[in-house]
Amino acid sequence: DTGVSQDPRHKITKRGQNVTFRCDPISEHNRLYWYRQTLGQGPEFLTYFQNEAQLEKSRLLSDRFSAERPKGSFSTLEIQRTEQGDSAMYLCASSLDRAETQYFGPGTRLLVL
Amino acid sequence: AQTVTQSQPEMSVQEAETVTLSCTYDTSESDYYLFWYKQPPSRQMILVIRQEAYKQQNATENRFSVNFQKAAKSFSLKISDSQLGDAAMYFCAYSVTTSGTYKYIFGTGTRLKVLA
Repeated sequence: DTGVSQDPRHKITKRGQNVTFRCDPISEHNRLYWYRQTLGQGPEFLTYFQNEAQLEKSRLLSDRFSAERPKGSFSTLEIQRTEQGDSAMYLCASSLDRAETQYFGPGTRLLVL
Repeated sequence: AQTVTQSQPEMSVQEAETVTLSCTYDTSESDYYLFWYKQPPSRQMILVIRQEAYKQQNATENRFSVNFQKAAKSFSLKISDSQLGDAAMYFCAYSVTTSGTYKYIFGTGTRLKVLA
């Protein structure tokens, strides 16, 4: 399977705990994106990487959120001190440079109790 | 500010019939991309069709076609010969890179039901 993969697919955590999600993009894709999607809404852009460089972060990405893409391959999204409002589906996508078409992973569904 | 509006929260279509999903967007840019994505229940989002704003010709992909009206900032999706497998959430999206700032904005989606 050469598509975008995400791990874990589901995560239940207690408020105040830290969680980390992983995304493995399509191997030849330079760009990697993170989105958050809540029920009944479209995905909201969080951040994106061009290779290992994080080029833009949305204002939705509070100080509790951090993303990395070491060596320009997989990426991790960490949420510290989770809050109930963080409960959502976190989507990862990748694309070839300027090709703009994004290929999405299956998402990680986070539930904060 | 760039926005994407899908005014139809839900649409229904009979199997084998044609349905059109609406999307409007707001931008001051002249060079951008538009997309329709499909998200089946509990499954991942996949690209249905894309349109480059500089192209006047409407994009088509088999049973899927768009009506791109750049001046009106309208980008509707037509699904012909609807099939049960077309049932999903459909998201319209807009993408632009300007002055080093990247924007990729989704609408709120239209839920399409296909009736047998």
